[in-house]
Amino acid sequence: GESVGLHLPTLSVQEGDNSIINCAYSNSASDYFIWYKQESGKGPQFIIDIRSNMDKRQGQRVTVLLNKTVKHLSLQIAATQPGDSAVYFCAENPSGNKLVFGAGTILRVKS
Amino acid sequence: NAGVMQNPRHLVRRRGQEARLRCSPMKGHSHVYWYRQLPEEGLKFMVYLQKENIIDESGMPKERFSAEFPKEGPSILRIQQVVRGDSAAYFCASSLYPMSTEAFFGQGTRLTVV
Repeated sequence: GESVGLHLPTLSVQEGDNSIINCAYSNSASDYFIWYKQESGKGPQFIIDIRSNMDKRQGQRVTVLLNKTVKHLSLQIAATQPGDSAVYFCAENPSGNKLVFGAGTILRVKS
Repeated sequence: NAGVMQNPRHLVRRRGQEARLRCSPMKGHSHVYWYRQLPEEGLKFMVYLQKENIIDESGMPKERFSAEFPKEGPSILRIQQVVRGDSAAYFCASSLYPMSTEAFFGQGTRLTVV
């Protein structure tokens, strides 16, 4: 069935270091992939997306890498800040009408 | 331009009661999606609606759950005869175009069934 999973449930990093959050997906038909950030008590907030015909996309302090050969997605956050502490979800769209979310990775930034 | 507004933010219902969750999409958005999130889990798709139409309800439980998005007013997710297992956070998202990556989520309604 469709599934999106994450390798690490919790990631602790030192402030200023780079963070890498990984995600495995299973549906080769997905047209795009999205990373969301969710802070406690809030809804998911869009971070960055990538189309299936791309392998890298950069935003402000974030980079998403897509490896379709091994069905792997990663989010890199440069110079991690305390405000980056949150749960991060990857999501894919195996069909046109919905997103399939992974279970989430907790990012903790130590000052 | 206000974001996606959901109310109430917290809702407590006794088993057997009805729960009504409201979602006002962003101005100009006519595509609404409902998701459910259990503690420590990702969001699970429930239903996708356009104005006055249900487009995809493949994630909706077959019984007790219904959704609407009338021509005027907010989208409503209705849960009849709630059970403890319905306790979750329910999120609504809206987009300008169908299933756009530019879908914005609301703050969610946290339903607790006691």
